[in-house]
Amino acid sequence: GAGVSQSPSNKVTEKGKDVELRCDPISGHTALYWYRQSLGQGLEFLIYFQGNSAPDKSGLPSDRFSAERTGGSVSTLTIQRTQQEDSAVYLCASTDRRGYTFGSGTRLTVV
Amino acid sequence: QKEVEQNSGPLSVPEGAIASLNCTYSDRGSQSFFWYRQYSGKSPELIMFIYSNGDKEDGRFTAQLNKASQYVSLLIRDSQPSDSATYLCALMGSGGYQKVTFGIGTKLQVIP
Repeated sequence: GAGVSQSPSNKVTEKGKDVELRCDPISGHTALYWYRQSLGQGLEFLIYFQGNSAPDKSGLPSDRFSAERTGGSVSTLTIQRTQQEDSAVYLCASTDRRGYTFGSGTRLTVV
Repeated sequence: QKEVEQNSGPLSVPEGAIASLNCTYSDRGSQSFFWYRQYSGKSPELIMFIYSNGDKEDGRFTAQLNKASQYVSLLIRDSQPSDSATYLCALMGSGGYQKVTFGIGTKLQVIP
């Protein structure tokens, strides 16, 4: 596609439920990233995928968070047993080394 | 020390003035530097990237990089109210690794 596509755009979930966030990067971009942005905060790195290499998971805040990237394209970020502090905008980006192109994000609200 | 430091602002400038946004970084091996603009409620969008010391101009925007002093800046000439946004400084580190680290962003307010 022409840009990075994320779905859903908004998600409201009850505390304790699992959620899945999807990212479809720009075709041909081998690198894919997930970031989190809480209200009034900067971008917090979560995880990075590059080609067939092992992902860099160093930013995942807890073992409730996991991500996978199938076929080197679409990625899914899964949050298990959601907590209120997980509420944030989750941004996906892909890059061609000239800077990231971000998706429009998923606004997650845990109630 | 944070990897990328920015003053969170807000920085207020009158319409038509030059807005100067500054950023310092700690990793001397950083290779590539970026400025992103983020409107409230929207995703960041890339507006400038710079690799070499000196100035890079694109329309009303000029990015300046000084690797010896480890700072990068963004100048916006003839500031417009539509420039009001948060400006994120970002860098790509050394070693070919493509992870980009972001600063917290500086909120710019252009006053009509």
